Amino acid sequence: QVQLQESGPGLVKPSETLSLICSVSGDSISGSYWSWIRQPPGKGLEWIGYMYYSGSTTLNPSLRSRVTISLDMSKNQFSLNLSSVTAADTAVYYCARGNMNRLSAYYMDVWGKGTTVTVSS
Amino acid sequence: QSVLTQTPSTSGAPGQRVTISCSGSRSNIGRNTVNWYQQLPGMAPKLLIYSNNQRPSGVPDRFSGSKSGTSASLAISGLQSEDEAVYYCASWDDVLKEVFGGGTRLTVL
Repeated sequence: QVQLQESGPGLVKPSETLSLICSVSGDSISGSYWSWIRQPPGKGLEWIGYMYYSGSTTLNPSLRSRVTISLDMSKNQFSLNLSSVTAADTAVYYCARGNMNRLSAYYMDVWGKGTTVTVSS
Repeated sequence: QSVLTQTPSTSGAPGQRVTISCSGSRSNIGRNTVNWYQQLPGMAPKLLIYSNNQRPSGVPDRFSGSKSGTSASLAISGLQSEDEAVYYCASWDDVLKEVFGGGTRLTVL
């Protein structure tokens, strides 16, 4: 059974960098599209981006300048860095496993439980 | 303002059939497939339908998806109290990448 677990600071100061880790069990990150999604309080879902196991990344254009996603094969983890945060980045952050079928259709089939990050001084 | 448009809320009585719609454009639903996610209260989203109409293993066949042109629909038949959740559609956009609808809150009366 594949499980994902987010971890990281629950409080980040404005202008600093938000850093989260997603630990994967039951599957190797040497495959799939390892994804990040967030959900501001009381609002809908916003896709942040993914890194393919080969190292290529695809990011939400609105966040691209501030986002870095990386993989750590040795630890079977992947991470999210979001720089220059503001209160608007306060959200529940989810990691997820993405897949593409033979028609190149992308979908996220396993999600972590999410971690709440608040941006405040 | 979400790129994909969903009705904010809908409701149905137990046993009934409800349909949730998702409207997009040529750059997303019109060219790419649609996925549906179910978010139960206080929980992470869960994949419900992928590639327009495919159910992951474990999802009951009461849930079905369809797509036509630049719109998609999720149908839930034999409505049950445990179906009360927020449902999100999602699709790949040629410019904006993965985009979600604003979500439809389903209330089981």
